[in-house]
Amino acid sequence: EIQMTQSPSSLSASLGDSVTITCQASQDIGNYLNWYQQKSGKAPNLLITEASNLGTGVPSRFSGSGSGTDFTFTIIGIQPEDIGTYYCQQFDKLPLTFGGGTKVEIK
Amino acid sequence: QVQLVQSGAEVKKPGASVKISCRASVETFTRYYIHWVRQAPGQTPEWMGAISPSGGSGTYAQRFQGRITVTRDTSTSTVYMDLSSLRSADTAVYYCARGPSAHTYFDHWGPGTLVSVS
Repeated sequence: EIQMTQSPSSLSASLGDSVTITCQASQDIGNYLNWYQQKSGKAPNLLITEASNLGTGVPSRFSGSGSGTDFTFTIIGIQPEDIGTYYCQQFDKLPLTFGGGTKVEIK
Repeated sequence: QVQLVQSGAEVKKPGASVKISCRASVETFTRYYIHWVRQAPGQTPEWMGAISPSGGSGTYAQRFQGRITVTRDTSTSTVYMDLSSLRSADTAVYYCARGPSAHTYFDHWGPGTLVSVS
């Protein structure tokens, strides 16, 4: 089973700041990585597919990069509606696995 | 319009089984895999298994093998997830989600079904 390690586990940012989350896979997964945002009490929402492809209707302040084992997710100019928990998910091998999550708060 | 409608919350005793339904739009049911992902309170999501749009047997995470069965009813465009031998650690919100394949992203999710085991 591929382990996905996310960091940090939580962060607090001021409105308009840029924030970066990293995700490391326990083995090479190519670009088979997705990113989701989850708000409290709701299902996750797809933001990024295949490491860097923005999902349908997702604002351009969100971006992703990386390949192999190391990946980065960035929000440029964080907005109040961006609070929530962010997860990476690999789909190279079954079982599909998620990172531990990064809780994002606004100062 | 993509719709994934799940059945309501369940309360079960340890050792019992639970069967959760996920009714999809016809397009989703006939063209996409339906996956099951659960999330225990305060925990990260956990993929459990999936079934293809052509039917057949499901594909399951090893840790649930022997306890999980995913089936489809084409007459109602509904997918079912049956989990047996429940224990307290199975208390979670169970989501169905669609994806274009078994190895995939999830672009639409159901609202979730809370299963409490105690």
